Amino acid sequence: KAGVTQTPRYLIKTRGQQVTLSCSPISGHRSVSWYQQTPGQGLQFLFEYFSETQRNKGNFPGRFSGRQFSNSRSEMNVSTLELGDSALYLCASSGGSDREQFFGPGTRLTVL
Amino acid sequence: QKEVEQNSGPLSVPEGAIASLNCTYSDRVSQSFFWYRQYSGKSPELIMSIYSNGDKEDGRFTAQLNKASQYVSLLIRDSQPSDSATYLCAVNKVGNTPLVFGKGTRLSVIA
Repeated sequence: KAGVTQTPRYLIKTRGQQVTLSCSPISGHRSVSWYQQTPGQGLQFLFEYFSETQRNKGNFPGRFSGRQFSNSRSEMNVSTLELGDSALYLCASSGGSDREQFFGPGTRLTVL
Repeated sequence: QKEVEQNSGPLSVPEGAIASLNCTYSDRVSQSFFWYRQYSGKSPELIMSIYSNGDKEDGRFTAQLNKASQYVSLLIRDSQPSDSATYLCAVNKVGNTPLVFGKGTRLSVIA
């Protein structure tokens, strides 16, 4: 089985711009979770989608949003980028009630 | 109290030794426990899952869970320099709630 894929792998944006990141889960997995990882804060949960519905949401401002499509692919959007949004954005897919999550390679976002 | 706590390290062990990584969690109703390995600049990779009290072995890795004491540990036998990475502990409380991750322990295996 192919693993989780994320595009793009690297992004450079300037403050005030918006960005859209994409995640394709492992085939058959219906849950996609998004995380932000920074050296100081570690892995922080953004949100989780399951069957096109947001199932869980972390403590991030409304500038961070996401959605999931009928084929389970997911996108997250960050509007009005700030310097502090520079981070590695990871998505993880899960296929069962055991909650095992498998991560994609991540998108490294740099905001200048 | 943080939900999932790990010693940040670095934990340095000589090649061939046993590396012991520990994680404590605050919520007694936690049900599922995971260890991830993350190499520098890479994404986390799931290496062990454990759901019941006791030990679970997979190759050189052994996960140990003690729900009464609210800790989970990972032992790496015959440590190799390629094991040098950050190890993340993750805990799932109940059902479809999000995983909660510790900040990780950096392991350095010295050849």
